[in-house]
Amino acid sequence: EDQVTQSPEALRLQEGESSSLNCSYTVSGLRGLFWYRQDPGKGPEFLFTLYSAGEEKEKERLKATLTKKESFLHITAPKPEDSATYLCAVQSTDSWGKFQFGAGTQVVVTP
Amino acid sequence: ETGVTQSPTHLIKTRGQQVTLRCSSQSGHNTVSWYQQALGQGPQFIFQYYREEENGRGNFPPRFSGLQFPNYSSELNVNALELDDSALYLCASSLSGAKNIQYFGAGTRLSVL
Repeated sequence: EDQVTQSPEALRLQEGESSSLNCSYTVSGLRGLFWYRQDPGKGPEFLFTLYSAGEEKEKERLKATLTKKESFLHITAPKPEDSATYLCAVQSTDSWGKFQFGAGTQVVVTP
Repeated sequence: ETGVTQSPTHLIKTRGQQVTLRCSSQSGHNTVSWYQQALGQGPQFIFQYYREEENGRGNFPPRFSGLQFPNYSSELNVNALELDDSALYLCASSLSGAKNIQYFGAGTRLSVL
Protein backbone atom coordinates (compact mmCIF):
# COMPACT_ATOMS: atom_id res chain seq x y z
CA GLU A 1 0.00 0.00 0.00
CA ASP A 2 1.19 3.52 -0.83
CA GLN A 3 2.56 5.44 2.15
CA VAL A 4 3.62 9.05 2.62
CA THR A 5 5.39 10.37 5.71
CA GLN A 6 6.13 14.04 6.22
CA SER A 7 8.59 15.52 8.69
CA PRO A 8 8.79 17.49 10.79
CA GLU A 9 5.17 17.73 11.92
CA ALA A 10 5.65 21.40 12.77
CA LEU A 11 8.32 23.98 12.05
CA ARG A 12 8.75 27.44 13.53
CA LEU A 13 11.07 29.77 11.61
CA GLN A 14 12.27 33.31 11.98
CA GLU A 15 11.73 35.47 8.93
CA GLY A 16 14.70 34.90 6.61
CA GLU A 17 15.67 31.56 8.22
CA SER A 18 15.81 28.98 5.43
CA SER A 19 14.78 25.37 6.04
CA SER A 20 13.62 22.16 4.36
CA LEU A 21 10.57 19.93 4.68
CA ASN A 22 10.81 16.21 3.99
CA CYS A 23 8.34 13.87 2.29
CA SER A 24 9.26 10.17 2.30
CA TYR A 25 7.16 7.87 0.18
CA THR A 26 6.62 4.21 -0.62
CA VAL A 27 4.80 3.47 -3.83
CA SER A 28 4.79 0.60 -6.30
CA GLY A 29 5.31 2.90 -9.24
CA LEU A 30 5.34 6.69 -9.11
CA ARG A 31 3.05 8.50 -11.50
CA GLY A 32 3.64 11.86 -9.81
CA LEU A 33 4.48 13.59 -6.52
CA PHE A 34 2.55 16.74 -5.68
CA TRP A 35 3.12 19.55 -3.20
CA TYR A 36 0.24 21.64 -1.93
CA ARG A 37 -0.08 24.53 0.49
CA GLN A 38 -3.10 24.71 2.77
CA ASP A 39 -4.17 27.72 4.81
CA PRO A 40 -6.48 27.23 7.83
CA GLY A 41 -10.07 26.51 6.78
CA LYS A 42 -9.17 26.46 3.09
CA GLY A 43 -8.65 23.83 0.46
CA PRO A 44 -5.15 22.77 -0.65
CA GLU A 45 -3.51 25.06 -3.20
CA PHE A 46 -1.38 23.40 -5.86
CA LEU A 47 2.34 24.26 -5.82
CA PHE A 48 4.40 21.70 -7.76
CA THR A 49 4.33 18.38 -9.55
CA LEU A 50 7.43 16.20 -9.87
CA TYR A 51 7.48 13.11 -12.05
CA SER A 52 10.96 11.60 -12.00
CA ALA A 53 14.01 11.40 -9.74
CA GLY A 54 16.34 14.33 -10.18
CA GLU A 55 13.60 16.72 -11.19
CA GLU A 56 13.44 20.16 -9.53
CA LYS A 57 10.81 22.91 -9.61
CA GLU A 58 10.99 26.46 -8.24
CA LYS A 59 8.46 29.13 -7.44
CA GLU A 60 9.44 32.32 -5.63
CA ARG A 61 10.99 31.22 -2.30
CA LEU A 62 10.05 27.55 -2.72
CA LYS A 63 12.01 24.80 -4.42
CA ALA A 64 10.94 21.16 -4.64
CA THR A 65 13.27 18.26 -5.39
CA LEU A 66 12.67 14.55 -5.92
CA THR A 67 14.64 11.34 -5.39
CA LYS A 68 13.47 7.74 -5.67
CA LYS A 69 12.50 7.65 -1.98
CA GLU A 70 11.76 11.20 -0.93
CA SER A 71 11.06 14.77 -1.86
CA PHE A 72 12.20 17.97 -0.21
CA LEU A 73 10.53 21.35 -0.17
CA HIS A 74 13.12 24.03 0.48
CA ILE A 75 11.95 27.39 1.77
CA THR A 76 14.54 30.10 1.20
CA ALA A 77 14.42 33.32 3.25
CA PRO A 78 10.78 32.75 4.29
CA LYS A 79 8.35 35.55 5.00
CA PRO A 80 5.37 35.49 7.40
CA GLU A 81 3.03 34.96 4.43
CA ASP A 82 4.70 31.57 3.85
CA SER A 83 3.05 30.36 7.08
CA ALA A 84 0.78 27.44 6.15
CA THR A 85 0.54 23.66 6.22
CA TYR A 86 2.46 22.06 3.38
CA LEU A 87 1.06 18.78 2.09
CA CYS A 88 2.80 16.15 -0.01
CA ALA A 89 0.86 13.60 -2.05
CA VAL A 90 1.80 10.74 -4.36
CA GLN A 91 -0.10 9.17 -7.19
CA SER A 92 0.92 5.64 -8.11
CA THR A 93 0.72 3.94 -11.46
CA ASP A 94 -1.54 1.30 -9.84
CA SER A 95 -4.22 3.65 -8.54
CA TRP A 96 -5.33 6.00 -11.26
CA GLY A 97 -6.71 9.18 -9.76
CA LYS A 98 -6.10 8.49 -6.09
CA PHE A 99 -3.79 10.87 -4.27
CA GLN A 100 -2.18 9.46 -1.10
CA PHE A 101 -1.48 12.43 1.16
CA GLY A 102 0.88 12.81 4.07
CA ALA A 103 -0.27 14.45 7.30
CA GLY A 104 1.47 17.69 6.41
CA THR A 105 4.06 20.00 7.96
CA GLN A 106 2.72 23.09 9.70
CA VAL A 107 5.09 26.01 9.10
CA VAL A 108 4.96 29.21 11.14
CA VAL A 109 7.21 32.11 10.12
CA THR A 110 7.57 34.88 12.68
CA PRO A 111 8.75 38.43 11.90
CA GLU B 1 -8.61 30.85 -7.69
CA THR B 2 -9.09 27.23 -8.77
CA GLY B 3 -12.55 27.57 -10.30
CA VAL B 4 -13.80 24.77 -8.04
CA THR B 5 -16.67 25.76 -5.77
CA GLN B 6 -18.29 23.78 -2.95
CA SER B 7 -21.51 24.26 -1.06
CA PRO B 8 -22.46 24.69 1.64
CA THR B 9 -19.36 25.98 3.44
CA HIS B 10 -20.55 24.74 6.84
CA LEU B 11 -23.14 22.19 7.87
CA ILE B 12 -24.35 20.80 11.19
CA LYS B 13 -26.19 17.47 11.31
CA THR B 14 -27.16 14.97 13.96
CA ARG B 15 -26.14 11.34 14.13
CA GLY B 16 -28.20 9.10 11.83
CA GLN B 17 -29.15 11.84 9.39
CA GLN B 18 -28.22 11.99 5.73
CA VAL B 19 -26.27 14.79 4.02
CA THR B 20 -25.55 15.91 0.45
CA LEU B 21 -22.53 18.03 -0.36
CA ARG B 22 -22.12 19.72 -3.72
CA CYS B 23 -19.21 20.63 -5.94
CA SER B 24 -18.89 22.55 -9.17
CA SER B 25 -15.76 21.56 -11.07
CA GLN B 26 -13.56 23.72 -13.22
CA SER B 27 -15.06 23.99 -16.69
CA GLY B 28 -13.85 21.23 -18.98
CA HIS B 29 -12.58 18.99 -16.19
CA ASN B 30 -13.93 15.48 -16.68
CA THR B 31 -12.73 14.01 -13.37
CA VAL B 32 -13.76 14.80 -9.80
CA SER B 33 -12.34 13.32 -6.60
CA TRP B 34 -13.67 13.61 -3.06
CA TYR B 35 -11.55 13.63 0.08
CA GLN B 36 -12.23 13.67 3.82
CA GLN B 37 -9.85 15.68 5.99
CA ALA B 38 -9.96 15.29 9.76
CA LEU B 39 -8.44 18.00 11.90
CA GLY B 40 -4.65 17.89 11.82
CA GLN B 41 -4.57 15.16 9.18
CA GLY B 42 -3.98 15.00 5.46
CA PRO B 43 -6.90 14.47 3.09
CA GLN B 44 -8.10 10.86 2.75
CA PHE B 45 -9.33 9.69 -0.66
CA ILE B 46 -13.02 8.72 -0.72
CA PHE B 47 -13.65 8.10 -4.43
CA GLN B 48 -13.23 9.47 -7.91
CA TYR B 49 -15.67 9.92 -10.77
CA TYR B 50 -14.66 10.04 -14.41
CA ARG B 51 -17.24 10.83 -17.07
CA GLU B 52 -20.07 10.20 -14.59
CA GLU B 53 -18.86 6.78 -13.43
CA GLU B 54 -16.99 5.82 -10.26
CA ASN B 55 -13.50 4.64 -11.24
CA GLY B 56 -11.70 4.38 -7.91
CA ARG B 57 -12.61 4.15 -4.23
CA GLY B 58 -10.74 4.45 -0.95
CA ASN B 59 -11.44 2.66 2.34
CA PHE B 60 -14.85 4.18 2.96
CA PRO B 61 -18.11 2.24 3.55
CA PRO B 62 -20.95 2.14 1.01
CA ARG B 63 -22.92 4.76 2.94
CA PHE B 64 -20.57 7.21 1.21
CA SER B 65 -21.82 7.56 -2.36
CA GLY B 66 -21.52 10.06 -5.15
CA LEU B 67 -22.80 11.34 -8.43
CA GLN B 68 -21.21 13.28 -11.26
CA PHE B 69 -23.31 15.23 -13.77
CA PRO B 70 -22.60 16.29 -17.37
CA ASN B 71 -22.54 19.97 -16.38
CA TYR B 72 -19.29 19.54 -14.34
CA SER B 73 -21.14 19.37 -11.03
CA SER B 74 -21.04 16.50 -8.56
CA GLU B 75 -22.42 15.38 -5.21
CA LEU B 76 -21.18 13.47 -2.21
CA ASN B 77 -23.92 11.75 -0.21
CA VAL B 78 -23.40 10.32 3.24
CA ASN B 79 -26.12 8.22 4.88
CA ALA B 80 -26.53 7.27 8.54
CA LEU B 81 -24.12 9.92 9.75
CA GLU B 82 -21.74 9.01 12.57
CA LEU B 83 -19.86 11.31 14.94
CA ASP B 84 -16.56 10.35 13.23
CA ASP B 85 -17.87 11.74 9.94
CA SER B 86 -17.20 15.23 11.29
CA ALA B 87 -14.49 16.62 9.01
CA LEU B 88 -13.67 18.95 6.14
CA TYR B 89 -14.88 17.44 2.86
CA LEU B 90 -12.91 18.48 -0.20
CA CYS B 91 -13.63 18.02 -3.84
CA ALA B 92 -10.91 18.24 -6.47
CA SER B 93 -11.33 18.47 -10.20
CA SER B 94 -8.84 17.50 -12.88
CA LEU B 95 -8.55 16.86 -16.58
CA SER B 96 -7.74 13.24 -17.28
CA GLY B 97 -4.32 12.94 -18.92
CA ALA B 98 -3.30 16.55 -18.29
CA LYS B 99 -0.51 15.75 -15.83
CA ASN B 100 -3.18 14.68 -13.32
CA ILE B 101 -3.03 17.90 -11.30
CA GLN B 102 -6.02 18.08 -8.96
CA TYR B 103 -7.45 21.49 -8.13
CA PHE B 104 -9.28 21.72 -4.83
CA GLY B 105 -12.28 23.66 -3.65
CA ALA B 106 -12.40 25.38 -0.27
CA GLY B 107 -14.29 22.47 1.27
CA THR B 108 -17.43 21.89 3.32
CA ARG B 109 -17.00 21.70 7.07
CA LEU B 110 -19.41 19.03 8.39
CA SER B 111 -20.14 18.73 12.08
CA VAL B 112 -22.11 15.71 13.32
CA LEU B 113 -23.60 16.06 16.80
